[in-house]
Amino acid sequence: NAGVTQTPKFRILKIGQSMTLQCTQDMNHNYMYWYRQDPGMGLKLIYYSVGAGITDKGEVPNGYNVSRSTTEDFPLRLELAAPSQTSVYFCASLLNSGTGVETQYFGPGTRLLVL
Amino acid sequence: AQSVTQLGSHVSVSEGALVLLRCNYSSSVPPYLFWYVQYPNQGLQLLLKYTSAATLVKGINDFEAEFKKSETSFHLTKPSAHMSDAAEYFCAVSDRTGNTGKLIFGQGTTLQVKP
Repeated sequence: NAGVTQTPKFRILKIGQSMTLQCTQDMNHNYMYWYRQDPGMGLKLIYYSVGAGITDKGEVPNGYNVSRSTTEDFPLRLELAAPSQTSVYFCASLLNSGTGVETQYFGPGTRLLVL
Repeated sequence: AQSVTQLGSHVSVSEGALVLLRCNYSSSVPPYLFWYVQYPNQGLQLLLKYTSAATLVKGINDFEAEFKKSETSFHLTKPSAHMSDAAEYFCAVSDRTGNTGKLIFGQGTTLQVKP
């Protein structure tokens, strides 16, 4: 299994451009998550999905959109890039069994710089 | 609502010395707690987790953590630091409001290991 994969690894965007960060998992996990990581701030949840066709906002959703058309894929869309979106983005997945103690598995991250 | 506080954004130890990384939580329900490690330019991986089965939890690479309800703490320790332990460490608590699998992360602690 490849686990959770993310593309691209690094991207530079100009202000106002748009892009999609790709995330794919091959573990048949039902739940998926997008986080952003800023220095000294830990990880903040952007969006999450509990299954295909179901998404919900996390703590910092403004400026982002997601979709979940398949179990495997959970792309994150930035429509109008702003310097405040410069960050490292992590995708994660989890096989939910309802106990609350399942492990989230993380991708390697996408480093985004908006200039 | 749950929250996590990691005391000390940077910890420096000598190789072979005890590692102690501090984590305090706030939770209105019995918490499920996690420690994740992030090596440079990688995603997060699980070190260990507390699921209420035992207060002393052993993880990978000789790390362990003790859940202390009276102190609302879940500190991470390792008897003898290796150079390869240099990384960022995150404490997290499971958000148990709704079956979402969401994690609430602390700010992170960077561990430096000196030769």
